[in-house]
Amino acid sequence: DSGVTQTPKHLITATGQRVTLRCSPRSGDLSVYWYQQSLDQGLQFLIQYYNGEERAKGNILERFSAQQFPDLHSELNLSSLELGDSALYFCASSVGDGTRGGEQYFGPGTRLTVT
Amino acid sequence: GQQLNQSPQSMFIQEGEDVSMNCTSSSIFNTWLWYKQDPGEGPVLLIALYKAGELTSNGRLTAQFGITRKDSFLNISASIPSDVGIYFCAGLQLSGTYKYIFGTGTRLKVLA
Repeated sequence: DSGVTQTPKHLITATGQRVTLRCSPRSGDLSVYWYQQSLDQGLQFLIQYYNGEERAKGNILERFSAQQFPDLHSELNLSSLELGDSALYFCASSVGDGTRGGEQYFGPGTRLTVT
Repeated sequence: GQQLNQSPQSMFIQEGEDVSMNCTSSSIFNTWLWYKQDPGEGPVLLIALYKAGELTSNGRLTAQFGITRKDSFLNISASIPSDVGIYFCAGLQLSGTYKYIFGTGTRLKVLA
């Protein structure tokens, strides 16, 4: 158990809909990262938040947005969903802002299926 | 999106054999990390490397940060069935925009 929690574990929704994925980092970690993993693919970095502020941005679509709240949990919002958005979405956390060390601890993921 | 080149893509080995996989890039990285992912689970950090030439072990696993800072390898000695999974390398780039990039993965299957 990495200490990172994600909810829900599974999510099935229709095209055009909007969903919110939630992540709670390990106790003491200030950074939260979001990744997308499509079937049999590697991990694509979406976005990072550090202590409530956006720290780095990857290949995140404009239809997707995220935020980190004062209690450090984070939410990833996916809107106008398309079939191609079906994937595993992972959240990871780290102690620092990611510029030192780089160790990230991953949650169990949310499997999103868009029908 | 950008990914690191990882090889081999997949491998079948006999239990007890040693395994070697590597990760290469045309760019320099400041940190290399190796993760293992079991089906349906999140990646688990195995080894982190911070300096060029660094060699680090974690039980039967050994990883090295390439001298050129553009590659890394992971060795698993005396493989066992529970080594099955997908192994990902990841690199951290600090030049310019901060980037954290994952490899394409090596899928390992161990035959008992």
